[in-house]
Amino acid sequence: TQLLEQSPQFLSIQEGENLTVYCNSSSVFSSLQWYRQEPGEGPVLLVTVVTGGEVKKLKRLTFQFGDARKDSSLHITAAQTGDTGLYLCAGAMMVRLGGSNYKLTFGKGTLLTVNP
Amino acid sequence: DTGVSQDPRHKITKRGQNVTFRCDPISEHNRLYWYRQTLGQGPEFLTYFQNEAQLEKSRLLSDRFSAERPKGSFSTLEIQRTEQGDSAMYLCASSWTPAYGYTFGSGTRLTVV
Repeated sequence: TQLLEQSPQFLSIQEGENLTVYCNSSSVFSSLQWYRQEPGEGPVLLVTVVTGGEVKKLKRLTFQFGDARKDSSLHITAAQTGDTGLYLCAGAMMVRLGGSNYKLTFGKGTLLTVNP
Repeated sequence: DTGVSQDPRHKITKRGQNVTFRCDPISEHNRLYWYRQTLGQGPEFLTYFQNEAQLEKSRLLSDRFSAERPKGSFSTLEIQRTEQGDSAMYLCASSWTPAYGYTFGSGTRLTVV
């Protein structure tokens, strides 16, 4: 079973359109991160959200963490061709009591293609 | 700091051969992680080091896989007697405060023929 479900799995849009991708789970996370990955490269961290209900903006990208810290969304306004890539969400869960030992679990990702 | 470095970037090997990958984390980061990613999937956790101690290993890590982090600096991941199912991107990441995110390397793409 997939701990983190991302939807949609694939998304193809025209430049200038808006889009939202979702990351859902039945588990509560200490924090949730969004990464973007380009072909043949490692994921690059975009944002970390920690507090339930938190909203963070990164230029045209808006990230929201659900009130119960189980889900998150990423909204892109006026998409550009440079936004093309695999968007991964990852939830951090504490693996040992005490200290700060967390394990990051990834969803399968949303593959976004922005066409000119 | 140049970020997390992985070497080699690509490796093609014949089934049954042994391979070793290297990861150099960001020097201030005491935590180091190995993940495996196949096409259409997100990264899957393999193992985790805090300094030189290997604190957790996934059940995905069979007896053919071994990882080390001598002196708490660079790490190596060795796969013995490779199988075609081992073909994947092997990603290394490091962090100081893991709840706030990892810095990933560019990965090593392994192809077993």
